[in-house]
Amino acid sequence: DTEVTQTPKHLVMGMTNKKSLKCEQHMGHRAMYWYKQKAKKPPELMFVYSYEKLSINESVPSRFSPECPNSSLLNLHLHALQPEDSALYLCASSQGGDPETQYFGPGTRLLVL
Amino acid sequence: AQTVTQSQPEMSVQEAETVTLSCTYDTSESNYYLFWYKQPPSRQMILVIRQEAYKQQNATENRFSVNFQKAAKSFSLKISDSQLGDTAMYFCAFMENKAAGNKLTFGGGTRVLVKP
Repeated sequence: DTEVTQTPKHLVMGMTNKKSLKCEQHMGHRAMYWYKQKAKKPPELMFVYSYEKLSINESVPSRFSPECPNSSLLNLHLHALQPEDSALYLCASSQGGDPETQYFGPGTRLLVL
Repeated sequence: AQTVTQSQPEMSVQEAETVTLSCTYDTSESNYYLFWYKQPPSRQMILVIRQEAYKQQNATENRFSVNFQKAAKSFSLKISDSQLGDTAMYFCAFMENKAAGNKLTFGGGTRVLVKP
């Protein structure tokens, strides 16, 4: 089973709202990722958690705040977003080891008004 | 820094025919992974095929196969017997061979349209 789940599927929020995206995997994977994808563009890495510790932050603005409460769960807290933050947010996870492969969730479509 | 280039923004193919997508990459690493992911209109990113750089044999997965040319830094994807469900955006991606928690570097994507 290579399932990564994400909730919600769609989210509309105002620039003053606070919301959270959730990602879950039950494959025992040790690394989890957040990507941002604009229309007709490839995904861009935002954050990587390895063994529940933040290992990569691709210079993401502080209005995006990741959290990894346990090895199966990854959150992305959103606050004071801008309309240009509207995008598809993808979560992925990977086992670690050889071969290393990232498995993606279905994404959350975010619209910031 | 690694870069991945997909030179074909769009391709169309008749159902049951074969189409080949090109991908080139640039890296100074000798040990790495290459991937093709498919993203249909449903937007879920699905792994199509994976190649480990240390393996000389080209990977195959049913109707999907790759032509991996390490010296030329080329990694093309061949879709045989194309089906309507193959219509999607295809991304080539590169990853260094390290422990868990690696960065995937994606190419710009190739949109494939399979026509009936």
